[in-house]
Order: sequence, then structure tokens, then C-alpha cells
Amino acid sequence: QKEVEQNSGPLSVPEGAIASLNCTYSDRVSQSFFWYRQYSGKSPELIMSIYSNGDKEDGRFTAQLNKASQYVSLLIRDSQPSDSATYLCAVNGAGGYQKVTFGTGTKLQVIP
Amino acid sequence: IAGITQAPTSQILAAGRRMTLRCTQDMRHNAMYWYRQDLGLGLRLIHYSNTAGTTGKGEVPDGYSVSRANTDDFPLTLASAVPSQTSVYFCASSPQVGQPQHFGDGTRLSIL
Repeated sequence: QKEVEQNSGPLSVPEGAIASLNCTYSDRVSQSFFWYRQYSGKSPELIMSIYSNGDKEDGRFTAQLNKASQYVSLLIRDSQPSDSATYLCAVNGAGGYQKVTFGTGTKLQVIP
Repeated sequence: IAGITQAPTSQILAAGRRMTLRCTQDMRHNAMYWYRQDLGLGLRLIHYSNTAGTTGKGEVPDGYSVSRANTDDFPLTLASAVPSQTSVYFCASSPQVGQPQHFGDGTRLSIL
């Protein structure tokens, strides 16, 4: 079992819809969870951090964490073509040594 | 502009040659990381440094070495490059290990 798992996609949604990106992790003691966005040919950039159970909202982005189910998700409301990118889930502690372990990413395509 | 600078941007290298990828940050972050990113495998940690003077092995350290003589610089050396080291290399930093990371623009390395 991978330490951090994501569906590779591509996930296609129409413009204006809600995109839902999911991530599961294996280490129950993980404490910090991050979502990064990576455009093709570019470096990852942090878009959300979440540390406690529940929802955290930032603009059109909402991160959801359920530690009991070892599940973290990212919702993108009113999806725009500019949101088309690969979204990486990262978990602190999944690899030990307080390091952050990345999932392989979900490619999102927003169709105009 | 604060951030991480990686050099070179890209490089084609003959197998067997020695190569050092440079990484410099001006954010006074304690923790620094080197990742490689390959299609389908995501970001994999090569080496990390919790603070100046210390380094640690990540998931795929073989064939690579690092040093951390000061806070700002974290070079990655390939002692004798092999074709399997063809990849995109990202340097990243965070205030402390396990915290959100800021990435450099990457180095695209091709070993022939």
C-alpha cells in the first residue's frame, strides 16, 4: 500500500462546476496535510494546508480532513480553465522523520 | 525577490560524468530538500537537511550526495551519472522540517 494515494485522473469537469480531489494516507499519526498545484512544466506551489479535522476554506478552495478515515480532500468551487493542473496531496509524517510524503497527483481538466 | 534559485535550468550530461545541481534560498529556512520527479512516480525525496550541518537520506538516495555547509545552500551531487538519473530535480525549503514547502523552478537533467 502506498503511503499517500491519489487517483491519477484525468478528472474532467465543466467550467463552473465543483471539482473534488481525493487523497488517502496510511500513517495514522500523520499531523499535517497539504495540497499543492503543479502546472505542466512548472514547480509545485502550495495552495492549502490543513491540520485538524473538518473543513478549511480559502476562496474557491476547501480542504476537508477526516483523520479517522485517513482521508483528505480538496474541493474547487466554480472551476475555471486556469485550474487545469495536477494537484498533489502531501502528508507530514507518512514517511517518518517528520518528512512530507507526496502522492503522485491527480490531473484536473476544466472544460470551457 | 525571496525564494529558491536552482541552477542550471537544464543540462544534458554524458553518463559517467560528475554533476552538481545548485540550490540557494534566501528565506532563512532551516529545512531543505531535494526531490526527483518522474512520470507516474511523483515527487520522490532524495536527501533532506533539517538544519545547517545535518543531512539525511530520503526515499531514493543512491547515487546522490548532498552537503549543507550553511543555511542558504544545499547542493546535490551526482558522482557518476547514469541514464536512470534522467529526471526533473526540484529543490525545496521550509521553515522547519514537515512544514509547507516552497519549491525552486527545477532542473531538467538528461543523462545520455
